[in-house]
Amino acid sequence: GAVVSQHPSRVICKSGTSVKIECRSLDFQATTMFWYRQFPKQSLMLMATSNEGSKATYEQGVEKDKFLINHASLTLSTLTVTSAHPEDSSFYICSARLMGFGGYTFGSGTRLTVV
Amino acid sequence: AQSVTQPDIHITVSEGASLELRCNYSYGATPYLFWYVQSPGQGLQLLLKYFSGDTLVQGIKGFEAEFKRSQSSFNLRKPSVHWSDAAEYFCAVGAGGSQGNLIFGKGTKLSVKP
Repeated sequence: GAVVSQHPSRVICKSGTSVKIECRSLDFQATTMFWYRQFPKQSLMLMATSNEGSKATYEQGVEKDKFLINHASLTLSTLTVTSAHPEDSSFYICSARLMGFGGYTFGSGTRLTVV
Repeated sequence: AQSVTQPDIHITVSEGASLELRCNYSYGATPYLFWYVQSPGQGLQLLLKYFSGDTLVQGIKGFEAEFKRSQSSFNLRKPSVHWSDAAEYFCAVGAGGSQGNLIFGKGTKLSVKP
């Protein structure tokens, strides 16, 4: 149980275009979703926290106008990278917090390459 | 501020040998601690977690970890490593207890020699 489905797993886009990444909780309701970014051979860095029905909270240094997060339902959160540039190329992972002491579950990640 | 330190960037062990991956944390209260494993290009899989109670935690795939408050450590162990254990391992602490996001260490890459 507690599966988060993340799509797409890989995407290549041209500079200046936008890319949407979706994370769906398949068998539970995700009140809170976390979005992380991982550079090659590095750790996961929190980008933002989204709560269903409210605006996302962004970490310092993360451009909210560039990384648009929508969490309109309890089962879907999206991250849109707008006007993508090569430096946005990275591995993006979503994570949902489970109720009680269930911990956290992660999506399988999206490898974004901007050319 | 909360932080997690994984002192070993890369560890190589022989198949069948024992393994210990180190993790030290900095947190003001009782921490919520996790170990995750990540295969290349994949998401993270939870190995085990500690919230309270018994300080020796059993996880999946034969892993265990011991919470030592006096040493601020949560080291991951496995008595006999299998080739399929080769991956990246991340220790993490729950920021703000059970309410916040996870703060990750930089990870330890495990290589397994035949």
